[in-house]
Amino acid sequence: SQTIHQWPATLVQPVGSPLSLECTVEGTSNPNLYWYRQAAGRGLQLLFYSVGIGQISSEVPQNLSASRPQDRQFILSSKKLLLSDSGFYLCAWSVRGAGKADTQYFGPGTRLTVL
Amino acid sequence: GNSVTQMEGPVTLSEEAFLTINCTYTATGYPSLFWYVQYPGEGLQLLLKATKADDKGSNKGFEATYRKETTSFHLEKGSVQVSDSAVYFCALMGNNNDMRFGAGTRLTVKP
Repeated sequence: SQTIHQWPATLVQPVGSPLSLECTVEGTSNPNLYWYRQAAGRGLQLLFYSVGIGQISSEVPQNLSASRPQDRQFILSSKKLLLSDSGFYLCAWSVRGAGKADTQYFGPGTRLTVL
Repeated sequence: GNSVTQMEGPVTLSEEAFLTINCTYTATGYPSLFWYVQYPGEGLQLLLKATKADDKGSNKGFEATYRKETTSFHLEKGSVQVSDSAVYFCALMGNNNDMRFGAGTRLTVKP
């Protein structure tokens, strides 16, 4: 069966510090991968999605970046965190090429607090 | 671009009450539509989905029908339980595998 892991589960970082959040998927190959942010009391905002290694699409301009160094690994990074980067970060995957009804499966999330 | 508009909450109901959470969408082509649920402190879980017009998705007593003529995918349940308390997200997947979520509706069911 497929599983998706995210770490760390929680993180407290000072403003201006770097960030690296990792997401890995097991039990499937060539998944589509997604990063979302859920700010407190708000909905989900799609940040990045990837349909293959090295292929990253950015949805909103920001000080975050994403990379996909391996097929089932998706990393969210920042060189300098802002207070507004605080939130709940969710990674998700879906089956590629299975048709347009690609259900997304979400990881447990990382709660980031920037102080 | 594609977007989803969801009924704002919070919604508070008594146990066994009827639930409706409205969702409308804007999209080009023929998107797939989803409802996800987020229980406190957890990630999102798929609740139900529909892939084409007039399809009805259903799960755990929840239902939603893909209405292309009204561009809607309203979530309904005939009799809610305390355990249904959660945040519900309507979502759309477009032709580019990009997902759009509504803002979420917090449901609280009281005994």
